[in-house]
Amino acid sequence: TAGITQAPTSQILAAGRSMTLRCTQDMRHNAMYWYRQDLGLGLRLIHYSNTAGSTGKGEVPDGYSVSRANTDDFPLTLASAVPSQTSVYFCASSDAGTAGGELFFGEGSRLTVL
Amino acid sequence: GQNIDQPTEMTATEGAIVQINCTYQTSGFNGLFWYQQHAGEAPTFLSYNVLDGLEEKGRFSSFLSRSKGYSYLLLKELQMKDSASYLCAVMDSNYQLIWGAGTKLIIKP
Repeated sequence: TAGITQAPTSQILAAGRSMTLRCTQDMRHNAMYWYRQDLGLGLRLIHYSNTAGSTGKGEVPDGYSVSRANTDDFPLTLASAVPSQTSVYFCASSDAGTAGGELFFGEGSRLTVL
Repeated sequence: GQNIDQPTEMTATEGAIVQINCTYQTSGFNGLFWYQQHAGEAPTFLSYNVLDGLEEKGRFSSFLSRSKGYSYLLLKELQMKDSASYLCAVMDSNYQLIWGAGTKLIIKP
């Protein structure tokens, strides 16, 4: 079972360019999430989706957008990248109907904005 | 504001026992999670506590005291492969996870 697949695993991007990080899950989980992880900080939620067709803003949504056209896919788009968006990005999913449901994470996408 | 505190780094010896503490202040409480994250890899689920007390799972145990806003992760019979970061996260009243910065555990032979 693949679980959650993210692409690309690593990318260097010029400031001002746009970029879409892809995330696909095969577990039929309702809820999906995008986090960024920076050294010395906890995981910070960017956007989330509790079900297909619905999205919400997390703690640090500015500069990012998401869509949830179907259950499996949850892409994250940076419309005009800035150096402060250099980070490791993790996509995750959970069975939102279960209280205490664990998160399943993708392997991460390391993004460097120059 | 909401806050999760855990030590930045700890060192322990192979075969020993180590306790990683986590204190939290959040808007409501709907459970506390521990995740393990090896360097360069994704976090993986270790445990979930929603009621006070100790949950044991093999070499790992997790304890919760809601009145004290406190949890710990206890690792026994440490192995070199336990070298990793351990992340504490609390689910608040809105069912959003608030994450600590993680504790890097270094295991020495």
